Amino acid sequence: QSVLTHPPSVSGTPGQRVTISCSGSSSNIGFNTVNWYQQLPGTAPKLLIHTNSQRPSGVPDRFSGSKSGTSASLAISGLQSEDEADYYCAVWDDNLNGVVFGGGTKLTVL
Amino acid sequence: EVQLVESGGGLVQPGGSLRLSCAASGFTFSSYWMNWVRQAPGKGLEWVANINGDGRQKNYVGSVKGRFTISRDNADNSLYLQMNSLRAEDTAVYYCARRGDTWSNFDSWGQGALVTVSS
Repeated sequence: QSVLTHPPSVSGTPGQRVTISCSGSSSNIGFNTVNWYQQLPGTAPKLLIHTNSQRPSGVPDRFSGSKSGTSASLAISGLQSEDEADYYCAVWDDNLNGVVFGGGTKLTVL
Repeated sequence: EVQLVESGGGLVQPGGSLRLSCAASGFTFSSYWMNWVRQAPGKGLEWVANINGDGRQKNYVGSVKGRFTISRDNADNSLYLQMNSLRAEDTAVYYCARRGDTWSNFDSWGQGALVTVSS
């Protein structure tokens, strides 16, 4: 059981906006920056959002991240079929002295 | 271009040992913290261990402490994971990943190496 809580799945139709939440605690999200990863089927994860809300070069501005208190969110607007993937939040945990990942959210584009 | 290429995966019996390697290129290897992250079949990502640039600082997830050892050879641009006393629950794809500007920022990943622990 992860210390970060994701919904196991979300879905949307093309063009729609979806959000994926990541809930933690003061020992992780509360005092450390959150990163988000996209894992397409059969591939390695890819950094999607870093430092809570920053997009690496090459990531479309349809993807955005935010953090408030002990929770973070990933929003995907203008949903496309190619966005169908697993999404993970990750953060350092001061109590565990290590990195923790959320359990992952499977995004289905209907 | 940053490249990370894992090798050394395979089938091993419970209680056995295996050493994974990760060959790095395209960046100044010794300047970066490096990580191992694993993913059990059909499951989510789990951080395993990290190591600083000179190899003196290391952190591990609790479930592998005392069994796994992360190390590096900066002269050879290589990262290693020595895995001992392997258990069925260690079965996973193991990725090496370069740390970016924060602890959980993994800005480059390898393609992964599959480790199967089974009799």
